[in-house]
Amino acid sequence: KNEVEQSPQNLTAQEGEFITINCSYSVGISALHWLQQHPGGGIVSLFMLSSGKKKHGRLIATINIQEKHSSLHITASHPRDSAVYICAVNRGSTLGRLYFGRGTQLTVWP
Amino acid sequence: DTAVSQTPKYLVTQMGNDKSIKCEQNLGHDTMYWYKQDSKKFLKIMFSYNNKELIINETVPNRFSPKSPDKAHLNLHINSLELGDSAVYFCASSATGRETQYFGPGTRLLVL
Repeated sequence: KNEVEQSPQNLTAQEGEFITINCSYSVGISALHWLQQHPGGGIVSLFMLSSGKKKHGRLIATINIQEKHSSLHITASHPRDSAVYICAVNRGSTLGRLYFGRGTQLTVWP
Repeated sequence: DTAVSQTPKYLVTQMGNDKSIKCEQNLGHDTMYWYKQDSKKFLKIMFSYNNKELIINETVPNRFSPKSPDKAHLNLHINSLELGDSAVYFCASSATGRETQYFGPGTRLLVL
C-alpha cells in the first residue's frame, strides 16, 4: 500500500465547477506538496504546506495534520486547469525525500 | 534563463547500450534529485545529492550511477540499458532538503 493515497484517480468537470482533490497519508510528515503535471509533461510545484491553508489565485490547499489529510480545491475551473495533480509528502526523516501519490487526472470541458 | 534544464529531452536507444542524462540548475540550490516516472505516471525518488554528497540512494539497480561534479550539476549514467528502464526521468532541485522542489522538463527514455 502506498504511503500517500489520492482520490479520485480521474475527475471530469465542466468549466466553472468547483473541484476538490483529496490526499491522505499514513506516515508522519514534515510537509506536504501539491504538484501539477501539464499535458506536455512538465511538473510544477503548486504548494508546500505543513499546517492550515494556502491560497494562490483560484487554487486553495488545506491540510489537517491530525487527520493526515489534505485537499486541493480549484474554484471556477477552466480547461487550462486540465492536468495531473500529484500529492507528495516529506517524511522528514531523510532530507528532501518525497513520497508521491499516484496522481489525479483532471479534465475540464468548456 | 531556464531554472532546471535536462539533456537530452528524448533518448531512444537499444538494449545493452550505456547512456547519460545531464541536469543543470541555475537557482543556486544545494540539493538535487533524480526521479523516475513510470508508464502509469507514478513518480519515485532514485537519488538525491546535497552539496555534492549523496544523501538518498533508493533501491535502484547499480547500473544507475549518479554523479555530481558541482552543486549545479547532477548527471545520471545508465549502463547496460534494459527494456524496463524505459520511463521519463526528472531532475529537480531545492534550496535545502525541506523546500519547494523545482523540476526539469524530463528526459523521455525509450529502450528498444
